[in-house]
Amino acid sequence: DAKTTQPPSMDCAEGRAANLPCNHSTISGNEYVYWYRQIHSQGPQYIIHGLKNNETNEMASLIITEDRKSSTLILPHATLRDTAVYYCIVRSLKTSYDKVIFGPGTSLSVIP
Amino acid sequence: DVKVTQSSRYLVKRTGEKVFLECVQDMDHENMFWYRQDPGLGLRLIYFSYDVKMKEKGDIPEGYSVSREKKERFSLILESASTNQTSMYLCAASETYNSPLHFGNGTRLTVT
Repeated sequence: DAKTTQPPSMDCAEGRAANLPCNHSTISGNEYVYWYRQIHSQGPQYIIHGLKNNETNEMASLIITEDRKSSTLILPHATLRDTAVYYCIVRSLKTSYDKVIFGPGTSLSVIP
Repeated sequence: DVKVTQSSRYLVKRTGEKVFLECVQDMDHENMFWYRQDPGLGLRLIYFSYDVKMKEKGDIPEGYSVSREKKERFSLILESASTNQTSMYLCAASETYNSPLHFGNGTRLTVT
């Protein structure tokens, strides 16, 4: 089973910030939080990851709560091209034997 | 950037055929994964490999096997294809156990 839970769908107005939540209440100290997105008919694309500090790159920001039980992916100025399914997963940083399990993700619709 | 190439974008096979899905990565990455994706079910892990000739079962290995004779190539084998194996198959690679996954664009397999 996936170790994360996400809302099944969200809408966001074009130009606004999209805030996508993820719950990972059973995360352990040696697991990272990763975010991916999948645009229709393509393979998932890596966005960002973090351990306990907030992270930012050219695509998005990742805010992880202090207790690490939840996180939020922020797309600062959503465009129509950000319409996709967004997946939040956790992944061990200590072992290769860890299954990488995806949940159903959040389907984000950016509305003009 | 890592390039993960899946040999076929679309494939149509008959029930009972032996089917090979090929995946090649160009960056000497250790870990490789096979997922299938079905509407409403998200990505489900079939098998993964963390080194040459090493493999681990994912959540749904039944009816599938894999082969990794060289580091860059990870093959998914359907020993006797069945209609319930009609699906989108996605291959991914990651450098190590704590690196992002890079996905191919998928093979849409139809078994008739």
